[in-house]
Amino acid sequence: EVQLVESGGGLVQPGGSLRLSCAASGFTFSSYWMHWVRQAPGKGLVWVSRINSDGSSTSYADSVKGRFTISRDNAKNTLYLQMNSLRAEDTAVYYCVLATGNWGQGTLVTVSS
Amino acid sequence: EIVLTQSPDFQSVTPKEKVTITCRASQSIGSSLHWYQQKPDQSPKLLIKYASQSISGVPSRFSGSGSGTDFTLTINSLEAEDAATYYCHQSSSLPFTFGPGTKVDIK
Repeated sequence: EVQLVESGGGLVQPGGSLRLSCAASGFTFSSYWMHWVRQAPGKGLVWVSRINSDGSSTSYADSVKGRFTISRDNAKNTLYLQMNSLRAEDTAVYYCVLATGNWGQGTLVTVSS
Repeated sequence: EIVLTQSPDFQSVTPKEKVTITCRASQSIGSSLHWYQQKPDQSPKLLIKYASQSISGVPSRFSGSGSGTDFTLTINSLEAEDAATYYCHQSSSLPFTFGPGTKVDIK
């Protein structure tokens, strides 16, 4: 069974940093592209970033480009999202998403002073 | 950026009724359109991939159609458990985008 478990969310001040992790199991992690998608409280879904299977290619939404970095460790079956220079508008639940359409349960990031 | 619009925004439906949700793309996306269901406090769940391909484990009352710019999600004989928000999603070109959602409520 595919499992995606996010962690690393929490409360951070504007301008601060957080690193999200997504532990994957139940499938061959190194074979699949992965994505991060976020959802602000009471709002819709917004694609954030994606990474190819070996980590050599990444893409970002304009709203996070230059501030967020997606990466992966295929030996550890883990996806990451390094978030720097955080803003209030980055407050959201962040989901790890497998290219086949499986989603994790999400981790809440709150940016507030 | 490809903009997805959905209609209606909200629909209140009685059980066993048929529900139709439409998604329109601002430019042609072929069949790279997927449908998700999200219930309160849950993660989205994939219902239909590539416009009309069914997903294992998803009830057969859910179906999708369309190509190019116009797509439809149909729920035949709605059940109470189908109360949720439904999103369309395009993976044709970056940045990937989602529609604003259609909330389906049970009368």
